[in-house]
Amino acid sequence: AQSVTQPDIHITVSEGASLELRCNYSYGATPYLFWYVQSPGQGLQLLLKYFSGDTLVQGIKGFEAEFKRSQSSFNLRKPSVHWSDAAEYFCAVGAGYGNKLVFGAGTILRVKS
Amino acid sequence: EAGVAQSPRYKIIEKRQSVAFWCNPISGHATLYWYQQILGQGPKLLIQFQNNGVVDDSQLPKDRFSAERLKGVDSTLKIQPAKLEDSAVYLCASRPGTGATEAFFGQGTRLTVV
Repeated sequence: AQSVTQPDIHITVSEGASLELRCNYSYGATPYLFWYVQSPGQGLQLLLKYFSGDTLVQGIKGFEAEFKRSQSSFNLRKPSVHWSDAAEYFCAVGAGYGNKLVFGAGTILRVKS
Repeated sequence: EAGVAQSPRYKIIEKRQSVAFWCNPISGHATLYWYQQILGQGPKLLIQFQNNGVVDDSQLPKDRFSAERLKGVDSTLKIQPAKLEDSAVYLCASRPGTGATEAFFGQGTRLTVV
């Protein structure tokens, strides 16, 4: 069965600094990969997705992610973080029978001014 | 385009009571998911429907949780009887199919069991 690991529970960065959130997955083949963001009291909003093709994908709000098959990773990056980016970020994998969508435990991003 | 609608937004019940949540997915979306998100954790899949059939319910505590999706559109999730550890946000999501598509989430129902 597929699984997702987000090694960092909390990350704090200064406004304007670059950001990288880590995501590793476990699955035998290439899965569909997603990053979602959740603000307090809200549902999940899709930032970006990877299905196939170019391994560097661009998303909304200036985010990008790179799929690395050899490392089973799909890390999320942003060159310059804004205070409004403070939220919880979830990596998810769609794979297996029925393309079940499995989430990691999330990374809480704090932005300091 | 209307999003995924869930109701109620909040619910407080006593343990051993029953509760039901409702979800209206995006029109035309064949796949529907119910997730449980306990505070501080990622969403955990409870059940996945494809139209009105169950694709995966391996993590649904079937002794107390039930879900249905009549006519392949709206869905309800029921808990009977509720336990303290059921306190969580219950998220509904829908997706056009199970292929290369994204899932869209509702705002969730926050359940507190006291």
